[in-house]
Amino acid sequence: GQNIDQPTEMTATEGAIVQINCTYQTSGFNGLFWYQQHAGEAPTFLSYNVLDGLEEKGRFSSFLSRSKGYSYLLLKELQMKDSASYLCAVRGSDYKLSFGAGTTVTVRA
Amino acid sequence: DTAVSQTPKYLVTQMGNDKSIKCEQNLGHDTMYWYKQDSKKFLKIMFSYNNKELIINETVPNRFSPKSPDKAHLNLHINSLELGDSAVYFCASSASGVGYTFGSGTRLTVV
Repeated sequence: GQNIDQPTEMTATEGAIVQINCTYQTSGFNGLFWYQQHAGEAPTFLSYNVLDGLEEKGRFSSFLSRSKGYSYLLLKELQMKDSASYLCAVRGSDYKLSFGAGTTVTVRA
Repeated sequence: DTAVSQTPKYLVTQMGNDKSIKCEQNLGHDTMYWYKQDSKKFLKIMFSYNNKELIINETVPNRFSPKSPDKAHLNLHINSLELGDSAVYFCASSASGVGYTFGSGTRLTVV
């Protein structure tokens, strides 16, 4: 099975940088995903890591260390629209995607 | 065109009723899923179908029965609804477990 931990809440100022950490324990690993979910909406795909290292996509970057069971999502140049819940999800060897409880990020002016 | 569409968006019903939620995807994906998101926002997988065959069946009461008439559709039927079934139910699809796309969700309220 999967055990995925991430902080419950984070607050940051517009224009700042926020790093959301995710640690996981899994019986089989086949990739780590980050999703963004605004209140009342569906989760939308942000990033995918299957090998160690940093994946950069515009203002968002995601890092993975498989040996440490650790990932982070880095949000740069925060905008008010980035206020949302960020979900870390691990895909197991059975291709099942298991989610963490999500981190609610609040961006303040 | 909506990639993954589910209906209805909102569903309010009384305890003991039977209801269905429908899901359709036009992405050509071979795998579809039902997830439940409770009041604490935790997304938990319920079922997964690959090419109309059930491949994941988590510990879900047997009042919940998925049906996949073809690989583009996955419906969820719930019998004898209980208060604890109130949640948002998300349908999703993927191409063999790569790149999940979620529907907009069905908010079920049991009164």
